[in-house]
Amino acid sequence: SQQGEEDPQALSIQEGENATMNCSYKTSINNLQWYRQNSGRGLVHLILIRSNEREKHSGRLRVTLDTSKKSSSLLITASRAADTASYFCATALPSNTGKLIFGQGTTLQVKP
Amino acid sequence: SQTIHQWPATLVQPVGSPLSLECTVEGTSNPNLYWYRQAAGRGLQLLFYSVGIGQISSEVPQNLSASRPQDRQFILSSKKLLLSDSGFYLCAWSVGFGTTGYTFGSGTRLTVV
Repeated sequence: SQQGEEDPQALSIQEGENATMNCSYKTSINNLQWYRQNSGRGLVHLILIRSNEREKHSGRLRVTLDTSKKSSSLLITASRAADTASYFCATALPSNTGKLIFGQGTTLQVKP
Repeated sequence: SQTIHQWPATLVQPVGSPLSLECTVEGTSNPNLYWYRQAAGRGLQLLFYSVGIGQISSEVPQNLSASRPQDRQFILSSKKLLLSDSGFYLCAWSVGFGTTGYTFGSGTRLTVV
């Protein structure tokens, strides 16, 4: 069953602008992760935020988590053309399997 | 360093033919292994996961099966492919129980004709 849903489905911005993507989920989680996928390639892990954390930074990435609203956001600051990709949130449920449930993704286009 | 190998990169197979996709991990022991499928323009659907040799859990009943004959080898198979089996298949590994990120392979683009 689908756990995470990203919003918007597609986003087009100019280079230098900030990009914000949102993710909502339905059940309790252990952590939430964000991944990037370039066209036709495998996914690359970007950042993991635990359920007891509210905000995390990694370079130009900022992730927030609101467990009361069951939502997360990924902010990419000062975007570059190389940031063009699909971005997925994934939730790790409180289980002993390590399973991740992925959302449908946001396709980001950064125009030079 | 840890690496993951997945092959082949692309595959075109006729309906009714068998399938075998292989994934191997290097540089780690007893990883958790996963097979996902991604339909065009969509998110990832978890197909199988394994927390140890010979331990396979299926998420979605379908025309596929998985096996883990060795600690760092994960195989996705089908006896007879259907058109609906077309998609992008991704293998991934992790350590721990969801406490770390996944490392994905480069994927196999399967087209069933």
